[in-house]
Formats: sequence, C-alpha cells, structure tokens
Amino acid sequence: QKEVEQNSGPLSVPEGAIASLNCTYSDRGSQSFFWYRQYSGKSPELIMSIYSNGDKEDGRFTAQLNKASQYVSLLIRDSQPSDSATYLCAAPRSNDYKLSFGAGTTVTVRA
Amino acid sequence: DAMVIQNPRYQVTQFGKPVTLSCSQTLNHNVMYWYQQKSSQAPKLLFHYYDKDFNNEADTPDNFQSRRPNTSFCFLDIRSPGLGDAAMYLCATSRALAGTETDTQYFGPGTRLTVL
Repeated sequence: QKEVEQNSGPLSVPEGAIASLNCTYSDRGSQSFFWYRQYSGKSPELIMSIYSNGDKEDGRFTAQLNKASQYVSLLIRDSQPSDSATYLCAAPRSNDYKLSFGAGTTVTVRA
Repeated sequence: DAMVIQNPRYQVTQFGKPVTLSCSQTLNHNVMYWYQQKSSQAPKLLFHYYDKDFNNEADTPDNFQSRRPNTSFCFLDIRSPGLGDAAMYLCATSRALAGTETDTQYFGPGTRLTVL
C-alpha cells in the first residue's frame, strides 16, 4: 500500500466550476499535510498546509482533513485556466518525518 | 524576499562528466533537501541535511554526493552522470524535520539536468 494515494485523474473541469482533489494516507501518525501545485516544467509550490481536522480556507482553495478516515482533500472554487497544473498531496512519515508524495492529480480547467 | 535559489536553472553535461548543482536559501532554515524528479513522477528524496548532519536515503546511488558548507548553501555533486540521471533536481528547505507548522518544505525553482 502506498503511503499517500491520490485520485489518479486527470481531472478536467470547466472554468468557474469546483475542482475536487482527494488524497488518502496510510500512516496514522502523520500530523501535517500539504498540497503543492506544480506547473509543467516548474517546481512544486506550496498552496495549502493543514494540521487539524476540519476545513481550512485560503482564497479559492479549501483543504479538508479527516484524520479518522485518513483523508485529505483540496477544493478549488471558481476554477481558472491558471489553475491547470498537477497537484501533489504530501505528508511526513511518522517514523522519520520525510515527506511522502502522492503521484499527483493533473487538473485541466477548460475555458 | 526570503527564498530558495538554485543555480543553474538548466545544466547540460556529457555522459560521465562531473556536474555540481547549487542551492542557497535566505530563510535561515535548518534542513535542506535534495530531490530528483523525473517526468510525470513524484519527487524522490536523495538526501537531506539537518544543520551539518547528513542523511542519505538508502537507495540513493553512490554517484550522488552532497555538501553543505554553511547554513545557506548546499551542493549536489553527480560524479559520473549517466543518461538515467537526466531529471529535474529540486532543492527544498524546512525549519525543522517535524513539528507543528515547522516542517513545511519550500522548494527552489529546480535545475533541469540534461545528459548527452
């Protein structure tokens, strides 16, 4: 079982719609969770971090964490063509604190 | 602005010719990481430094070495690059290895390595 798994995508949404990205993790000891956005040929850029159960909102982005279900999600509201990218979910392993990354979900926002 | 800087952004080398990639940070973070990322794959951790303490991943080839002469700088040396080493090399930093909101990793822009 992979430590961090993401819905494989690719995900295509129309401009203005909500894009929903899902991530599950296997290490119950993980305490922090991150969403990175990566444009093609560029490096990962942190867009959200979440540490507590519930929702965390930042502009058009909302991260949701459910530790009981070992589930993290990212919602992108009012999707824009500039949101087209690969989104990486990541969580540190509890035994050595190194980041485990999901395989990424590629999002395309159609104009 | 505090940031993570990588040089060069693009590096072309010949098969077997040593190459050094550099990373600097103005965040004053304790931890610096080197990742390798190939197309359509997640970043793969090669090694990290916590201050001067070096931690090598078990599956990192001996061909890859790293140096951290001071808090701000870290280097990745590839002693004899092979065609399979062509990739994006990412440097990242964090304040700590773990802990509430101190383990967030910030990535530099990356160095794209081409091996001819």
